[in-house]
Amino acid sequence: NAGVTQTPKFQVLKTGQSMTLQCAQDMNHEYMSWYRQDPGMGLRLIHYSVGAGITDQGEVPNGYNVSRSTTEDFPLRLLSAAPSQTSVYFCASSSRTVAGEKETQYFGPGTRLLVL
Amino acid sequence: QKEVEQDPGPLSVPEGAIVSLNCTYSNSAFQYFMWYRQYSRKGPELLMYTYSSGNKEDGRFTAQVDKSSKYISLFIRDSQPSDSATYLCASYTGGFKTIFGAGTRLFVKA
Repeated sequence: NAGVTQTPKFQVLKTGQSMTLQCAQDMNHEYMSWYRQDPGMGLRLIHYSVGAGITDQGEVPNGYNVSRSTTEDFPLRLLSAAPSQTSVYFCASSSRTVAGEKETQYFGPGTRLLVL
Repeated sequence: QKEVEQDPGPLSVPEGAIVSLNCTYSNSAFQYFMWYRQYSRKGPELLMYTYSSGNKEDGRFTAQVDKSSKYISLFIRDSQPSDSATYLCASYTGGFKTIFGAGTRLFVKA
């Protein structure tokens, strides 16, 4: 049971390049999400998914795309990297009880992205 | 104004002290409240999850929500050096758009 895995751990991009950040979970969680963390800003939600084939935008979706073809995988695509996308990216997966009284959530170790 | 406000600290306390970490929020529709612990260069870890108002206790940790004043607190009893981390509060209405505070850095000195 690996939990939530993210690759790569660190990436340097040039402005305008595209790339995909990978996220996988082996807990059969239905909910997955991507956050970025910047100094003094806390975590901000980029996109999330409530199940395979279902995604929606979060707080800061511009410049990012996601898809969820399987329960396990939730990749995040940067379409044309910009210096403003320099950040630490975290993927999370979670499950909730029907009434919402309990949530189990795990974050991956993060991907550090530098856009030059 | 951010929907969830949190003093960034740092907060420095001696080992064994009771730590009080606080957040305020502005969205009265928030129903779920969480506290996370994040060690340096690691992903956040969900510590406490609370629905609506009231207290919730788990070992040395107590989470408190006062919806009338829109105030969220986390108390750590008998603090240990291993509690040194950044603590983030977060809230959401019932969907999945979770709003996080900026985090408070805590240092517990041995």
